[in-house]
Amino acid sequence: DAKTTQPNSMESNEEEPVHLPCNHSTISGTDYIHWYRQLPSQGPEYVIHGLTSNVNNRMASLAIAEDRKSSTLILHRATLRDAAVYYCILGLNRDDKIIFGKGTRLHILP
Amino acid sequence: NAGVTQTPKFQVLKTGQSMTLQCAQDMNHEYMSWYRQDPGMGLRLIHYSVGAGITDQGEVPNGYNVSRSTTEDFPLRLLSAAPSQTSVYFCASSYSLIGEKLFFGSGTQLSVL
Repeated sequence: DAKTTQPNSMESNEEEPVHLPCNHSTISGTDYIHWYRQLPSQGPEYVIHGLTSNVNNRMASLAIAEDRKSSTLILHRATLRDAAVYYCILGLNRDDKIIFGKGTRLHILP
Repeated sequence: NAGVTQTPKFQVLKTGQSMTLQCAQDMNHEYMSWYRQDPGMGLRLIHYSVGAGITDQGEVPNGYNVSRSTTEDFPLRLLSAAPSQTSVYFCASSYSLIGEKLFFGSGTQLSVL
């Protein structure tokens, strides 16, 4: 199974941008990169996903390295409500498992 | 649409009891899966299904059974509950795996005494 590597935790100040890194050096050419987040006492929720090009939506931006071996989730202006665990996962289509790692716990400082 | 519905929200079992966690989705999704999450940990895949009649094992399948007789439902059965199965269980579904997002239920908190 292709795996991702993320820092265990990160801190950021409120109203500042946050860059959450993810390494996926064994990614294959057809694997999508997905990001989910889990707020306290809730189930995970979708944030964004992409294949090769950078992606933007109302929640965040996803920057994908040219060789696709790493990606960065960008929260443009963090709020206290963005404090959560963020998971970077690969949507595998060579088998059917979606494996979550431990994610990055993001702390937002007021 | 209700999305992904899990029942019950909370359950307490005694060691050795069996029970079924229910998961239903009304989005006509082909892919469904079960995860467990222990305190302070990430999600671990238990079983998954890519369509009615098809199931397969994930990372931690021992002690759990699944079946997929309809597209909508994907129940998770605990055969003989053990304290090690105390966890929060999440069901998820997706239209497909390729470039589609997962929708999660709100979870079932299970305690085995």
